[in-house]
Amino acid sequence: DTEVTQTPKHLVMGMTNKKSLKCEQHMGHRAMYWYKQKAKKPPELMFVYSYEKLSINESVPSRFSPECPNSSLLNLHLHALQPEDSALYLCASSPGQGEDQPQHFGDGTRLSIL
Amino acid sequence: AQKITQTQPGMFVQEKEAVTLDCTYDTSDQSYGLFWYKQPSSGEMIFLIYQGSYDEQNATEGRYSLNFQKARKSANLVISASQLGDSAMYFCAMREDFILTGGGNKLTFGTGTQLKVEL
Repeated sequence: DTEVTQTPKHLVMGMTNKKSLKCEQHMGHRAMYWYKQKAKKPPELMFVYSYEKLSINESVPSRFSPECPNSSLLNLHLHALQPEDSALYLCASSPGQGEDQPQHFGDGTRLSIL
Repeated sequence: AQKITQTQPGMFVQEKEAVTLDCTYDTSDQSYGLFWYKQPSSGEMIFLIYQGSYDEQNATEGRYSLNFQKARKSANLVISASQLGDSAMYFCAMREDFILTGGGNKLTFGTGTQLKVEL
C-alpha cells in the first residue's frame, strides 16, 4: 500500500462534465505534485504546491484547476476536458525540507475522456 | 537545460541474474541528485535509490545499487538476483538545481526502460 492515496482509481467522463481528482498524504510532507503520464512515456509535471502555495504551473491549460485545501490534501478539478487529456494522473509528495528528498507517488487515477 | 538519456527501451533478463539499466545525464550544475523509480503495470511510481553528486560512495539499497561515474555522467542502476516481480518500467530522474520556494524539488525524467524478467 502506498502512503499517498489517490481517488478515484478510474474515471470516465464526457467532455462537458466536471469532476475532481483527490490526493491525500499523512506523512507530514509539505510539497505536493500533480503529474500527467501517457502510456509508455515518462510523467510530465503539471503543478507543484509548496506549503500549500502554488509554486509551479507548467503552462497547464485552464481546464485543469489545482487546489490545496490543507497540507494533507491536493485536488485537481477537471472541466471541459479533451480526448487528448486521457492519461494516468499521478500525485506525489515530498518532505519539502531538503531538495534531495524523493517524491512519494500514489497509484494514480486512470482518466478516460469520451 | 538538463537532460536524462535512457538508451534501452526494453531489456530482458533471466530470473536470478543481475541486470544493468543505463542512464546518462547532461547538466552544467555542480550540485545535482539522481533518482531511480520503478513503475509496475499497476501505475504506481516506486522510489528505489538516490545518488547525490557529491556522494563519494555508490548508493546501495538491498538488491539495488547505483554505478555512479561522475566523469562519464552516468548513473546506471544494477539489480542483482532478478525476480519476476522486478518486471516493470524503470525511470531515471534528475533533480533540477534550484530549490522551490517553500521546499520541494523538480525532476527531469528519462524515457524509461521496460524490464522483463524471464524464468
